[in-house]
Amino acid sequence: DSGVTQTPKHLITATGQRVTLRCSPRSGDLSVYWYQQSLDQGLQFLIQYYNGEERAKGNILERFSAQQFPDLHSELNLSSLELGDSALYFCASSVGASGRETQYFGPGTRLLVL
Amino acid sequence: QQQVKQSPQSLIVQKGGISIINCAYENTAFDYFPWYQQFPGKGPALLIAIRPDVSEKKEGRFTISFNKSAKQFSLHIMDSQPGDSATYFCAGTKTGANNLFFGTGTRLTVIP
Repeated sequence: DSGVTQTPKHLITATGQRVTLRCSPRSGDLSVYWYQQSLDQGLQFLIQYYNGEERAKGNILERFSAQQFPDLHSELNLSSLELGDSALYFCASSVGASGRETQYFGPGTRLLVL
Repeated sequence: QQQVKQSPQSLIVQKGGISIINCAYENTAFDYFPWYQQFPGKGPALLIAIRPDVSEKKEGRFTISFNKSAKQFSLHIMDSQPGDSATYFCAGTKTGANNLFFGTGTRLTVIP
């Protein structure tokens, strides 16, 4: 158990809908990362927050947005969902903001868009 | 643009054999190279990492070999066991960067 929690575990929704994925980092960790994992794309980095502020942006679509709250939990919002958004979404946390820090991954949220 | 390229995509090894996964990177500023291990249904977890000031790092049955001039590094799993069956991701990053650049992953299956 990494200490990172993600909810929900599974999510089934329809095209065009909007969903929110939630992540609670390990106690003491200030950084939260979001990743998308699909079968043929590996781990795609989406976005990183550190202590409430956006620190790095990867291949995140404009339809997706994220934020980190004062209690350090983070939410990833996916809107106007398309079939291709079906994937596993992971959250990871680390103590600091550096990419050299160990990232602790949550169990993931499996999103299925029908 | 894939900053870290990983091969093979999948690998099947007999129990007791050596598993080898290769990665190559483009950015010469990269100075930290971790490997993450992901079991089915779980999130990835850090397995072992290396910095380019050493050519090899060993932890138990897992060894990273690093070739700075070729911009390549590899993971060797000695005496592979069925419990090693997982997906392995290499990654790279540089000082000052906030995120890791992951390879596309290698699914390892160790057959008894």
